[in-house]
Amino acid sequence: DAGVIQSPRHEVTEMGQEVTLRCKPISGHNSLFWYRQTMMRGLELLIYFNNNVPIDDSGMPEDRFSAKMPNASFSTLKIQPSEPRDSAVYFCASSPMGGANQPQHFGDGTRLSIL
Amino acid sequence: GNSVTQMEGPVTLSEEAFLTINCTYTATGYPSLFWYVQYPGEGLQLLLKATKADDKGSNKGFEATYRKETTSFHLEKGSVQVSDSAVYFCALSDYTGNQFYFGTGTSLTVIP
Repeated sequence: DAGVIQSPRHEVTEMGQEVTLRCKPISGHNSLFWYRQTMMRGLELLIYFNNNVPIDDSGMPEDRFSAKMPNASFSTLKIQPSEPRDSAVYFCASSPMGGANQPQHFGDGTRLSIL
Repeated sequence: GNSVTQMEGPVTLSEEAFLTINCTYTATGYPSLFWYVQYPGEGLQLLLKATKADDKGSNKGFEATYRKETTSFHLEKGSVQVSDSAVYFCALSDYTGNQFYFGTGTSLTVIP
């Protein structure tokens, strides 16, 4: 079975540029999560969707960050404009809906460096 | 509210040593509990889970028991290997399944 697929794996860009991270969840999973991981702050939940609808975006750090899920098989996380402090590894995860015992399945992440 | 607290790292052990990584939680209702492992350069992978009190999750020689009376889910392995070097995360899913809470992670290094 294909797991959660994220692209690109690595992104290096200059500050001020727009960055778009992409995620394809596991087929049949109804929930999708975006996380950011840094040494300083650990793993932070940015936003999650149920059935393509954003449920909780309280973790999104600023208005520069936005996320969309236009359909059940695709989501994007966009940063515009990007800043050096946005450098981190960004993970997408998905899970089936249906209760507390469903684990999340993570992609391999996008390592983002803003110069 | 809901939260997970796990022991600070890093932890360094010799091969074949016994491993314990402590995890305690606070939660409303009846959460499910998980341990995830993250190898360098990779995403988090589910290691084991337990969905109700007194359940024992196990995988790859690792075990953890859901203890409601002590609100704990400590990870143990009897004999670690160099290949177990990774970061381990304790996590909780609330009774709705809509909220996930991760601990800060514990880095484990096993030396030959």
